Amino acid sequence: KAGVTQTPRYLIKTRGQQVTLSCSPISGHRSVSWYQQTPGQGLQFLFEYFSETQRNKGNFPGRFSGRQFSNSRSEMNVSTLELGDSALYLCASSLSLLPGLAGGTSWTDTQYFGPGTRLTVL
Amino acid sequence: DQQVKQNSPSLSVQEGRISILNCDYTNSMFDYFLWYKKYPAEGPTFLISISSIKDKNEDGRFTVFLNKSAKHLSLHIVPSQPGDSAVYFCAASAFGNQFYFGTGTSLTVIP
Repeated sequence: KAGVTQTPRYLIKTRGQQVTLSCSPISGHRSVSWYQQTPGQGLQFLFEYFSETQRNKGNFPGRFSGRQFSNSRSEMNVSTLELGDSALYLCASSLSLLPGLAGGTSWTDTQYFGPGTRLTVL
Repeated sequence: DQQVKQNSPSLSVQEGRISILNCDYTNSMFDYFLWYKKYPAEGPTFLISISSIKDKNEDGRFTVFLNKSAKHLSLHIVPSQPGDSAVYFCAASAFGNQFYFGTGTSLTVIP
């Protein structure tokens, strides 16, 4: 079974530009989450999409947005790039068979990560 | 507010010995916990998980212990191998919502 794939792997942009990152989840996985990783900050949660709807959102400005398509593929967009947006952007997918409060967290919520997209903003 | 904390940024262990990585959390509603291993320039790799209804889960050389009263999680690696050298993250979730990650512990296994 193919893992989570992310494209592109590396990206260099300049301040003020916008960027779109893509994530293809593991086949059958319905949830896609996005994270930003910077040195010393661990993994900061951006947002999660489930069945084409944003289900959870972290504390990032509105310049960070995302969407999910009917095939569960997801894109993340960052507009008006700033130097501080330079980071490794990680996407993770999970089966998520018991979504949300109703079922509690289960093994189907285990997240599997892609290799990441390294974004450098100059 | 950091709900999941890994207070040791780094750990060095001799090959063959036990590695113990620790994680503390503040949210008593967390019901599921994960450990990941991460090499530089790669995404985290899932290692092992534990539900809050258990206090121990084993998978080969990896064992995770959960102490709910202390809100403490630990990962034991026995025996440690040089290939285990990586950054380890713990993560926790409540009711299937987002996972909160610690800042990671860099493990070095010395041959």
